[in-house]
Amino acid sequence: AQRVTQPEKLLSVFKGAPVELKCNYSYSGSPELFWYVQYSRQRLQLLLRHISRESIKGFTADLNKGETSFHLKKPFAQEEDSAMYYCALTVGGNEKLTFGTGTRLTIIP
Amino acid sequence: GAGVSQTPSNKVTEKGKYVELRCDPISGHTALYWYRQSLGQGPEFLIYFQGTGAADDSGLPNDRFFAVRPEGSVSTLKIQRTERGDSAVYLCASSPAGGKEQYFGPGTRLTVT
Repeated sequence: AQRVTQPEKLLSVFKGAPVELKCNYSYSGSPELFWYVQYSRQRLQLLLRHISRESIKGFTADLNKGETSFHLKKPFAQEEDSAMYYCALTVGGNEKLTFGTGTRLTIIP
Repeated sequence: GAGVSQTPSNKVTEKGKYVELRCDPISGHTALYWYRQSLGQGPEFLIYFQGTGAADDSGLPNDRFFAVRPEGSVSTLKIQRTERGDSAVYLCASSPAGGKEQYFGPGTRLTVT
């Protein structure tokens, strides 16, 4: 069965510093990878997906099939980036999401 | 437009009781998903509807859990003989036909005492 691992439960970064949230997955085929974000008192929402190759709110993520990773990066952290971040995947055309345990990102002013 | 809504927002029930959780998806969305999120964990898939039928119910933990979507819109998650381990936030999400993005509701926090 597929699995998503987010090794950091908590991550604190100074404002203006680079951010990297780690995500690794285990699946023998070609999954579709997503990052979802939950800001304080808001609902879970899609941040980005690897297929679209977009940059949203300055965040990017590259799918590395060799390392089975989909790390989320931003060059300069902003205070409004403080939130809970979840990496997730779908496989084989089945749309159900498999989530990691999440990383709480705190940006220190 | 209105997003996914879930009622109630909070539900406290006693062990052994029956509960129903409701989800109103975004109008026109054909796919509807239920997830459960326990403290400190990511959301865990329960069941997925495409229209009125359950396309995948492999995440339902046991036969105390059941969900319906009789008219292809509103869905109800039903839990019989609740146990303390059922305490969690139950999330509903919907997506349009062919869409990859799931739009989540605010969740129902269920507490079984």
